Amino acid sequence: NAGVTQTPKFQVLKTGQSMTLQCAQDMNHEYMSWYRQDPGMGLRLIHYSVGAGITDQGEVPNGYNVSRSTTEDFPLRLLSAAPSQTSVYFCASRRTGNNYGYTFGSGTRLTVV
Amino acid sequence: AQSVTQLDSQVPVFEEAPVELRCNYSSSVSVYLFWYVQYPNQGLQLLLKYLSGSTLVKGINGFEAEFNKSQTSFHLRKPSVHISDTAEYFCAVENYGGSQGNLIFGKGTKLSVKP
Repeated sequence: NAGVTQTPKFQVLKTGQSMTLQCAQDMNHEYMSWYRQDPGMGLRLIHYSVGAGITDQGEVPNGYNVSRSTTEDFPLRLLSAAPSQTSVYFCASRRTGNNYGYTFGSGTRLTVV
Repeated sequence: AQSVTQLDSQVPVFEEAPVELRCNYSSSVSVYLFWYVQYPNQGLQLLLKYLSGSTLVKGINGFEAEFNKSQTSFHLRKPSVHISDTAEYFCAVENYGGSQGNLIFGKGTKLSVKP
């Protein structure tokens, strides 16, 4: 049981490049989400998904795309990276039942130059 | 829409002193409440959560928080802090009931414990 796995841990992109941040969970959680963390701003919700085939926007969705073809995977795509997307990105999944709560990945530190 | 306000961006305190980190939220429905801690260059660790029941919640590392529905607050407290408590602390709230809720974070409070 690996929890929530994010890859890569670090990435440097040039402005205009595209990339996909990977997020996978092996706990069969229906709900998954992506956050970005910037100094002084806390964590802000980018996109979330309540199950395979269903995604929706959070607070700061511009510049990011998501899809959810399986329960396990929830990749975040940057189509044309901008310096403003330099941030630390966290993926999370949600447990239901008696131990309700969230499991977070270890984060991806992205720098766009 | 729900929102979370952490009233202090930085809290300096001396070792062995008590500390309170304040969190207020706005929501028109019932909520779940969480406190997370983040040590430098690390991920998020859950300190404690309120889902239902007793309004006084005890967490890890000697922290506790009290849910006050009338004041829409969920302040975090520790009676005696250690140097190792130096970290950033995040309050988060999730609406529940009715439509699907998302976890919304405050902007964080940096706790600095001085010897």
